[in-house]
Amino acid sequence: KNEVEQSPQNLTAQEGEFITINCSYSVGISALHWLQQHPGGGIVSLFMLSSGKKKHGRLIATINIQEKHSSLHITASHPRDSAVYICAVPNSGGGADGLTFGKGTHLIIQP
Amino acid sequence: GAVVSQHPSRVICKSGTSVKIECRSLDFQATTMFWYRQFPKQSLMLMATSNEGSKATYEQGVEKDKFLINHASLTLSTLTVTSAHPEDSSFYICSASEELGRLAKNIQYFGAGTRLSVL
Repeated sequence: KNEVEQSPQNLTAQEGEFITINCSYSVGISALHWLQQHPGGGIVSLFMLSSGKKKHGRLIATINIQEKHSSLHITASHPRDSAVYICAVPNSGGGADGLTFGKGTHLIIQP
Repeated sequence: GAVVSQHPSRVICKSGTSVKIECRSLDFQATTMFWYRQFPKQSLMLMATSNEGSKATYEQGVEKDKFLINHASLTLSTLTVTSAHPEDSSFYICSASEELGRLAKNIQYFGAGTRLSVL
């Protein structure tokens, strides 16, 4: 079963700062998910990526398959980015399996 | 993009009652749906994998007689928490997997979640 480690667990930054959240996993995978969870619990899927880099607005996700590592970056951070960011990978590496989730990074962006 | 609808978003019930949570894929057929649970300040954990037309596969430690899963169609899976107790209070979330073909990667889409509070 895959194991996921995320860092940092907590991150407080000032508005405008560049944010990086890291995720490492133990078993080779077909794709990795980055999710955003708001205080009420609702989850939004930000990215699913299997190689290289994806960008959506101020969010950038990268993955290095060989190193089993992914990063989520937020440029020009804003207080509305405050949330828990979670990476998730397939349990056994395949594409049709349930996911194993990281413990999440609790991000607070202060005005 | 694909959307998964989960209902209800919040439910409060008395101990001993049963609660049904629905997960629907709105614009795609989901051969596989997953149910996750998140206790306060903990990671999401997979409870079970639901395949259309067959019995669900439960993760170790999840009671299948307590958490009944039905995946009767390609767009609907339900999770019923039977005889709920306060310790079942949690955040439940489903995801649906869109099969893109044998060689393609299955994409998972997440419902918004259901917060269950058992009094």
